Amino acid sequence: GENVEQHPSTLSVQEGDSAVIKCTYSDSASNYFPWYKQELGKRPQLIIDIRSNVGEKKDQRIAVTLNKTAKHFSLHITETQPEDSAVYFCAASLTNAGKSTFGDGTTLTVKP
Amino acid sequence: EAGVAQSPRYKIIEKRQSVAFWCNPISGHATLYWYQQILGQGPKLLIQFQNNGVVDDSQLPKDRFSAERLKGVDSTLKIQPAKLEDSAVYLCASSLLQGAAPYGYTFGSGTRLTVV
Repeated sequence: GENVEQHPSTLSVQEGDSAVIKCTYSDSASNYFPWYKQELGKRPQLIIDIRSNVGEKKDQRIAVTLNKTAKHFSLHITETQPEDSAVYFCAASLTNAGKSTFGDGTTLTVKP
Repeated sequence: EAGVAQSPRYKIIEKRQSVAFWCNPISGHATLYWYQQILGQGPKLLIQFQNNGVVDDSQLPKDRFSAERLKGVDSTLKIQPAKLEDSAVYLCASSLLQGAAPYGYTFGSGTRLTVV
C-alpha cells in the first residue's frame, strides 16, 4: 500500500519568514495530494490540494509543488503569521479509490 | 452547509469494555471514512463506505472493531472489547463521491477515546 513520509516533524519560524514542509510517497499511481491544517483540539481542515497533472498551485500565502518523477511534494507558506501555528498533514491518494494515506504531521510554530 | 457531526466528543472507558461512536456526514456525501488518530501521528484509515456498502476495511481490526452505515447516511463504529492501545481520536470524514471531484475530505470534530 501507499506510504507517506513527512519532514520535518517540528518547525519553528519567526513571524514573516517562510516555512516549507516536505512529503514523499511510495505509490506512483497516487494522483491527488491534499494538505490539512489541524489546530489544537480541532478537526483537520483542507487548506490546499494538487492533482498530478499540475506541478504547482498557489492560494494567497500558501503554495504546493509536486514532483511526480521524484514522488515528492511540498507545502510552502510565505509571510507566516502566528495564526499559522498548527499541525500540518500531507496526504496522498488515488482519486478513484477515495481514501487518503496521511503523513505523521509537522508541528509549525510561528513566533511573534 | 452543516458539517460532519460526531458524538460523543470524549469517552473514558476501562479496558475490556465496549464503546460506540456515531457519525452523521454532510448531506449528500456518499463516501464516509473512519480514521484513527493516535497522539503524534497522522490519521490512519479504519474503514471506508460508499453509500451503505463497505469499500475498504482492510485495516480494521475485525476481531474487536465493527462499523456499519445503515441506509447510507449515519454510521457507527464500535470497539468491543477495548484495549489500552485503542486510546486515540476517532475521526469521521465524508466526501461527495468516490472518484469524483472535489476529492478532499470534510472531517468531523472527532471522538477522543481514553482507555484506562
